[in-house]
Amino acid sequence: AQTVTQSQPEMSVQEAETVTLSCTYDTSESNYYLFWYKQPPSRQMILVIRQEAYKQQNATENRFSVNFQKAAKSFSLKISDSQLGDTAMYFCASPDSNAGGTSYGKLTFGQGTILTVHP
Amino acid sequence: KAGVTQTPRYLIKTRGQQVTLSCSPISGHRSVSWYQQTPGQGLQFLFEYFSETQRNKGNFPGRFSGRQFSNSRSEMNVSTLELGDSALYLCASSLAPGSYGYTFGSGTRLTVV
Repeated sequence: AQTVTQSQPEMSVQEAETVTLSCTYDTSESNYYLFWYKQPPSRQMILVIRQEAYKQQNATENRFSVNFQKAAKSFSLKISDSQLGDTAMYFCASPDSNAGGTSYGKLTFGQGTILTVHP
Repeated sequence: KAGVTQTPRYLIKTRGQQVTLSCSPISGHRSVSWYQQTPGQGLQFLFEYFSETQRNKGNFPGRFSGRQFSNSRSEMNVSTLELGDSALYLCASSLAPGSYGYTFGSGTRLTVV
C-alpha cells in the first residue's frame, strides 16, 4: 500500500516568482507513478503533472516541473513564473499497484498544500 | 465534449436519512471512481467501477454502497447518515482502469444536520 505525505499545509508566493511544494511517499512497489493534482475553488481536481518512477528524467509541463528523488522517495512540484490562477490546493497522489497491474482509479492522496499567489 | 457531471451540486440531509449521489462520466468512459473529501481526513478512496463491476473498495463502512449502470453512469448511496458523512464527494472517470487520464467532476457537497 502507498502512503503520501505533504508537510506544508499552506504556502504563499508573489506573482511571477517560483515556489516549490514538497511531497514524500512510501511504496513497496518497484514501478509506480506519481501525480500532482490542483483543486481550485471550483472544486474540480485537475491533473497538473505525472511522473513514472522508472524514468530518471524529471517530468515538465510548461511552468510546472517535478524534482523526483527516487531513493529519498521525494516528489516535489516546482511552479515557475507563478500566476494568480495558480491559487489552489495542490495534492500529491499515487495510484494503487498490485499483482493485477496499476489502477489509476484508486489514488492515495496527500493532505494537500494550499497555495496562494499574491499580486 | 461534456465533462464529468455530478448531481446534485449541493445536498442537505438529516441524520438517519439516506442519500443517493449521481455521476455521469465523459462519453465513452467506462471506469468511474468515487472519493470522499473532508477537512479532517482529506481525500479518501471509496469505490472503483469498470463495466458495471466493482474493482476496488475503500475502507468505509457498509452504509456506503455504489453501483454502475450499463451506460457507465454511477451512483453511490449512503444509508443511515451520520454527521461525519458531511463531505465533498468527488467522482472521476476514465476510458479504463489502466488509463491514467482520469477526469474529475466538481463534486457533490453533502451536509448532514
